[in-house]
Amino acid sequence: GAVVSQHPSRVICKSGTSVKIECRSLDFQATTMFWYRQFPKKSLMLMATSNEGSKATYEQGVEKDKFLINHASLTLSTLTVTSAHPEDSSFYICSASTSDRTPDTQYFGPGTRLTVL
Amino acid sequence: QQQVKQSPQSLIVQKGGISIINCAYENTAFDYFPWYQQFPGKGPALLIAIRPDVSEKKEGRFTISFNKSAKQFSLHIMDSQPGDSATYFCAADRYSSASKIIFGSGTRLSIRP
Repeated sequence: GAVVSQHPSRVICKSGTSVKIECRSLDFQATTMFWYRQFPKKSLMLMATSNEGSKATYEQGVEKDKFLINHASLTLSTLTVTSAHPEDSSFYICSASTSDRTPDTQYFGPGTRLTVL
Repeated sequence: QQQVKQSPQSLIVQKGGISIINCAYENTAFDYFPWYQQFPGKGPALLIAIRPDVSEKKEGRFTISFNKSAKQFSLHIMDSQPGDSATYFCAADRYSSASKIIFGSGTRLSIRP
């Protein structure tokens, strides 16, 4: 199957610092990666979609200057939460899809729990 | 038009019983309907998926029933087990493009031993 990893799995940081979360597709080339945010007992909220080598497309209401997304290669995308504040505390999940497989399914990472103090 | 409505919000089923979760969509452009299972603190995992050209798909104890005219689909878990306790999300997508998956609101399923 398709495996997507995220690192770190948990991170605690002080308010005002920046945090980087990595998302890697381990056994396939991800032409598209997605970043989601999930609040407790809620559904996944899409934050942005990124294609390798191009700028991410952000969903309405998501601050692109606060949530920096880089999709530098076909196996790696990063989400940087800049100047994090307690309200940014959440569960962040990435997913990756490839046009090499049918259907064009999204494979999800295990998530990263961010806690901002 | 982009919504996927999911019910119930939570569900308690006795071990061995049948768990049923329902979803409805509006946009007829959707042609791929996956179900995801999520355990606490973990990412969602694809459980089973269906396309509108069939009315039912079965994989082990999991069955999707699809009603294209009503724009509804449901997940049935037969012989439900405590290990099935998780949150289930239905979703709608477009089969051949890396488009946005539209998720339902989720159903927290608890299987009582």
